[in-house]
Amino acid sequence: EAGVVQSPRYKIIEKKQPVAFWCNPISGHNTLYWYLQNLGQGPELLIRYENEEAVDDSQLPKDRFSAERLKGVDSTLKIQPAELGDSAVYLCASSLNGGASNNEQFFGPGTRLTVL
Amino acid sequence: AQSVTQLDSHVSVSEGTPVLLRCNYSSSYSPSLFWYVQHPNKGLQLLLKYTSAATLVKGINGFEAEFKKSETSFHLTKPSAHMSDAAEYFCVVSPFGNEKLTFGTGTRLTIIP
Repeated sequence: EAGVVQSPRYKIIEKKQPVAFWCNPISGHNTLYWYLQNLGQGPELLIRYENEEAVDDSQLPKDRFSAERLKGVDSTLKIQPAELGDSAVYLCASSLNGGASNNEQFFGPGTRLTVL
Repeated sequence: AQSVTQLDSHVSVSEGTPVLLRCNYSSSYSPSLFWYVQHPNKGLQLLLKYTSAATLVKGINGFEAEFKKSETSFHLTKPSAHMSDAAEYFCVVSPFGNEKLTFGTGTRLTIIP
């Protein structure tokens, strides 16, 4: 069974440029998460989707970040414009059914963003 | 509110010796607790989880952790370290029945040959 797929794995951009990250969750997983992981820190949740609905986006900086999951399967996270402080690893995770106490989140390898 | 504190940012042990990675938690609710491992350039992988059943939890690759409510701790142990255990380990808490995870800052485990 394929795991969570993310692309690109690495991205280097100039500040003020836009950037987008793509995630394809495990087949059949209804819940999708985007996390931000700064260097030397643990991941922090940015947004959670149940199917195509964003049910928790309280930590998403909405002035420059946006996300979509139009068909309830794959998802795109966008930053426009990027700032130097956005350099980090962006992780995508999926789970079968968010909310269950024994639900496991499966993580992708992440996209490492460097903003110059 | 919930949080975890990983007491060591870096632990080094010799191959074949025991591993102890320390974690203390704070939670307003009965928590679920997890340990995840992150190898370089790979995704986070669940090692084990506690969800109010047995307080001693066994995970993959010989790891186990014990939930101690009186000490608000959930330390990760392994009797004998292997070179392949070198990685970053994260202690994670969530309110019971809620999938929102709060990660610690991580402990980097180095195995000395």
